[in-house]
Amino acid sequence: ELKVEQNPLFLSMQEGKNYTIYCNYSTTSDRLYWYRQDPGKSLESLFVLLSNGAVKQEGRLMASLDTKARLSTLHITAAVHDLSATYFCAVDRSARQLTFGSGTQLTVLP
Amino acid sequence: EPEVTQTPSHQVTQMGQEVILRCVPISNHLYFYWYRQILGQKVEFLVSFYNNEISEKSEIFDDQFSVERPDGSNFTLKIRSTKLEDSAMYFCASILPPEAFFGQGTRLTVV
Repeated sequence: ELKVEQNPLFLSMQEGKNYTIYCNYSTTSDRLYWYRQDPGKSLESLFVLLSNGAVKQEGRLMASLDTKARLSTLHITAAVHDLSATYFCAVDRSARQLTFGSGTQLTVLP
Repeated sequence: EPEVTQTPSHQVTQMGQEVILRCVPISNHLYFYWYRQILGQKVEFLVSFYNNEISEKSEIFDDQFSVERPDGSNFTLKIRSTKLEDSAMYFCASILPPEAFFGQGTRLTVV
């Protein structure tokens, strides 16, 4: 059974600081996704990572994938208040289901 | 970003009633999933659907649940006899690897 673990579950950070969210998964996967969710809203697609060493960046967010370590990271650079949300990683095997991590609730404080 | 449309956005139903949640996936996508999320909690897989049949389902997806793609476009989730614990946000996902997009969700409240 595929297990996906995220940490930390809760993260408060000050504006302007950097931080990293970690996503570990238990078995080989085909794809790894990062989503953002605002309270009461849907899951907004941020990144999809396909291969070992993949790195993608959008604004202040950068995601990377190490398939050998079964680890993905979401790095936040110089956080701003608008980044406050819950971030989920999800792992896909054979397009049969996406298995989600528990989510990281990020709060960026002024 | 392509759009996955879910209706209704919010449904209130009495315990024991049947509900049908609807999703219009992206037209050229092949795989369709349903998930639920109880308020503030994890996103839980219910079922995946490919080539007009269920490809995988979770323990949550018991005999009270069913899925259909009746007309080649809409993708529906039916709950036959709702329970209080079915209250949650239900999300439909539309997949054409590597793309995976979610609808805006249906908030189901069982009273």
